[in-house]
Amino acid sequence: DVKVTQSSRYLVKRTGEKVFLECVQDMDHENMFWYRQDPGLGLRLIYFSYDVKMKEKGDIPEGYSVSREKKERFSLILESASTNQTSMYLCASTPAGAPSNTEAFFGQGTRLTVV
Amino acid sequence: RKEVEQDPGPFNVPEGATVAFNCTYSNSASQSFFWYRQDCRKEPKLLMSVYSSGNEDGRFTAQLNRASQYISLLIRDSKLSDSATYLCVVTEYASGTYKYIFGTGTRLKVLA
Repeated sequence: DVKVTQSSRYLVKRTGEKVFLECVQDMDHENMFWYRQDPGLGLRLIYFSYDVKMKEKGDIPEGYSVSREKKERFSLILESASTNQTSMYLCASTPAGAPSNTEAFFGQGTRLTVV
Repeated sequence: RKEVEQDPGPFNVPEGATVAFNCTYSNSASQSFFWYRQDCRKEPKLLMSVYSSGNEDGRFTAQLNRASQYISLLIRDSKLSDSATYLCVVTEYASGTYKYIFGTGTRLKVLA
């Protein structure tokens, strides 16, 4: 059974803290993505990576950074957490190549609350 | 303008009804198209891919109109278990791979 695993389901952090969200996939996928999901706004792409050590900005990268040191692991970093980063964070992965019939597999999500 | 637009709903329908969702996308270069389903407090999961010729999977039928940049999902004989949020998804090529762009989702409630 394919799996994308996020390190925490629920997280509460204080304003100004540095926060690490970890995502691991066991499918040997090249591509990994980080989204945040907010009511009325849907899933918005923060960062993505198509290879180890490669990273690309998505639509809302401000306030975030990422790290991909190994193929299976993609970390999202909130350099200095703020209350407007309270959200559901979802990690996804896909194999390389044309996605005409390629499913994006998601982790179970991390609900982050910044207080 | 959002890249992928959907009516947020909710659509409240009785069991056995037929319901249709629509989605429009703004980028004519979009490559592939999908419908995902998301249950409350769960991650999105692929429901079906959408092809230009239209495709069917049991009670579900998806259509794509590239000229109008429009995607649809039809659910026949609705079941209580169909209650969920349905996400329209398109892919775009960017920086070495394909990004998955999600609509905000359409919420469906099937009522007994």
